[in-house]
Amino acid sequence: NAGVTQTPKFQVLKTGQSMTLQCAQDMNHEYMSWYRQDPGMGLRLIHYSVGAGITDQGEVPNGYNVSRSTTEDFPLRLLSAAPSQTSVYFCASSTRDEQYFGPGTRLTVT
Amino acid sequence: AQTVTQSQPEMSVQEAETVTLSCTYDTSESNYYLFWYKQPPSRQMILVIRQEAYKQQNATENRFSVNFQKAAKSFSLKISDSQLGDTAMYFCAFMKPPNNNAGNMLTFGGGTRLMVKP
Repeated sequence: NAGVTQTPKFQVLKTGQSMTLQCAQDMNHEYMSWYRQDPGMGLRLIHYSVGAGITDQGEVPNGYNVSRSTTEDFPLRLLSAAPSQTSVYFCASSTRDEQYFGPGTRLTVT
Repeated sequence: AQTVTQSQPEMSVQEAETVTLSCTYDTSESNYYLFWYKQPPSRQMILVIRQEAYKQQNATENRFSVNFQKAAKSFSLKISDSQLGDTAMYFCAFMKPPNNNAGNMLTFGGGTRLMVKP
């Protein structure tokens, strides 16, 4: 049981490039979320999903897309990277009353 | 919308002493969950303790306990017998019970950096 896995662990992008952050969970949870953490701050919600085929926006969705074709996977796409998207990204999957976080991806946009 | 405030950006404590981290929140919900997460330098988010708002009894997990004051919307974390391994960022977080449309997302405070000194 691997829990929540994220790839890559580190990534450097140039402004304007696109990429996909991968997230997978093996706990059969319906709920999954993406958060970003900027230096010295708490996590902020980007997008979330309440089940396969269902996604919605969180607090800071601009510049990101998500999809949920399977229960296990919830990728986050950066359409055209900007320096303001430099951050640490966490994926989480959850039961009704507890969230399980992945190890995070540190993204730098130059 | 919910807000969570941690008013202590940094704190320090001597090893083996007790320290209390503060958290206040604002919500119109009557039922919800509150959490404390620990984030060491590895950046992994580690659940420390959870409190359900409808439970009057304060949660306890070994050296960690909370003081939950629902009317005051306060949720402080007490760490007893502090250890060097407790050095980390600590985040308070709020979660509404999930529903099929809105999921169960967390709202985080800004964090408190705790340093345990030998």
